[in-house]
Amino acid sequence: EAGVTQFPSHSVIEKGQTVTLRCDPISGHDNLYWYRRVMGKEIKFLLHFVKESKQDESGMPNNRFLAERTGGTYSTLKVQPAELEDSGVYFCASSQAGVRDTQYFGPGTRLTVL
Amino acid sequence: EDQVTQSPEALRLQEGESSSLNCSYTVSGLRGLFWYRQDPGKGPEFLFTLYSAGEEKEKERLKATLTKKESFLHITAPKPEDSATYLCAAVGSNYQLIWGAGTKLIIKP
Repeated sequence: EAGVTQFPSHSVIEKGQTVTLRCDPISGHDNLYWYRRVMGKEIKFLLHFVKESKQDESGMPNNRFLAERTGGTYSTLKVQPAELEDSGVYFCASSQAGVRDTQYFGPGTRLTVL
Repeated sequence: EDQVTQSPEALRLQEGESSSLNCSYTVSGLRGLFWYRQDPGKGPEFLFTLYSAGEEKEKERLKATLTKKESFLHITAPKPEDSATYLCAAVGSNYQLIWGAGTKLIIKP
């Protein structure tokens, strides 16, 4: 069974540009999560989808971040316009049941904003 | 505010030298305590979930325990391949995973 996949693995962009990260969860997992790890800090929750609906987006830093999950399958996280402080590793995870269930993580996308 | 603190930040052991990693949590209404392992350049890999104080789980050389204030990850007779960063995370009443900063474990042959 394929695990959680993320694309791209690395992205380097200039401040002010737009970047879109993609996550494909494990097939059949209704719950999808986005997290971010900024250099030297712990992983932080960004948001949680149940199927195509946003269950909790309280961790999103500001309105430059937009997450979507079309048809309850893959998800995208768009940053527009990117700022220097957005640099970090963005992880996606999925689980079959809710937050108390095991979350399986993708390899992450390393975003560098210059 | 919900918080998870891991100690030590880094731990170097000789192969075969057993030890424990600590995860202290202040989380209202704990709904689960998770341990993950992370290798460089990869995402966190699930190890254990603990739901209530007194619970223990084992897998190969690893054993996780939970009290009302902390969790321990005991590693018995570690091997070099156990070298990784070990992450602890807790789910509280806000239904979000709150993460510790991790313990970087290095096992020397």
